[in-house]
Amino acid sequence: RKEVEQDPGPFNVPEGATVAFNCTYSNSASQSFFWYRQDCRKEPKLLMSVYSSGNEDGRFTAQLNRASQYISLLIRDSKLSDSATYLCVVRTNTGNQFYFGTGTSLTVIP
Amino acid sequence: DADVTQTPRNRITKTGKRIMLECSQTKGHDRMYWYRQDPGLGLQLIYYSFDVKDINKGEISDGYSVSRQAQAKFSLSLESAIPNQTALYFCATSQAGGLIGELFFGEGSRLTVL
Repeated sequence: RKEVEQDPGPFNVPEGATVAFNCTYSNSASQSFFWYRQDCRKEPKLLMSVYSSGNEDGRFTAQLNRASQYISLLIRDSKLSDSATYLCVVRTNTGNQFYFGTGTSLTVIP
Repeated sequence: DADVTQTPRNRITKTGKRIMLECSQTKGHDRMYWYRQDPGLGLQLIYYSFDVKDINKGEISDGYSVSRQAQAKFSLSLESAIPNQTALYFCATSQAGGLIGELFFGEGSRLTVL
């Protein structure tokens, strides 16, 4: 079983739409959770860390459900510039291992 | 300038050649990582280092070696490159300790082995 699983998509949504991505992780001892954004052939860049209480940054909202071992990312009012691959990343509490989902592809259509 | 710098950014080589990818960072982080990315497979950890001279194998270390001679530098070598090592390679750093400690990536090195 993979450490982190994501729906690969692709998600094709119109501008202004709301879209949600989900991610599950297998290690209940995981400590830190992140969403990264990766543009084609570029390096992943941190979009936001995910806190237990949930957190919001502008149009982006991240949620963590430890009981279900589930992380989500909600993007409201999608922009063309949101088109990218979104990676779910989990860091364990031992050895500082980071585990990556395969990414979810989003295309925002005019 | 990028905080995590990789060289070369692109390289085409032939089967059997020795290749070195270099990574340097100005973030002052102790922890450094090498990942490879293949389409549809996500990022896979090759090696990681938590300090100078500390080397740890990741998920897919076979066919690779690394060197950490200084805190700021972490190099990845392919002693005898083969075509299935064609991939996008990323170096990353993270800060030791702390609750969050996200990864910071270099811009990537695209390697093609013919």
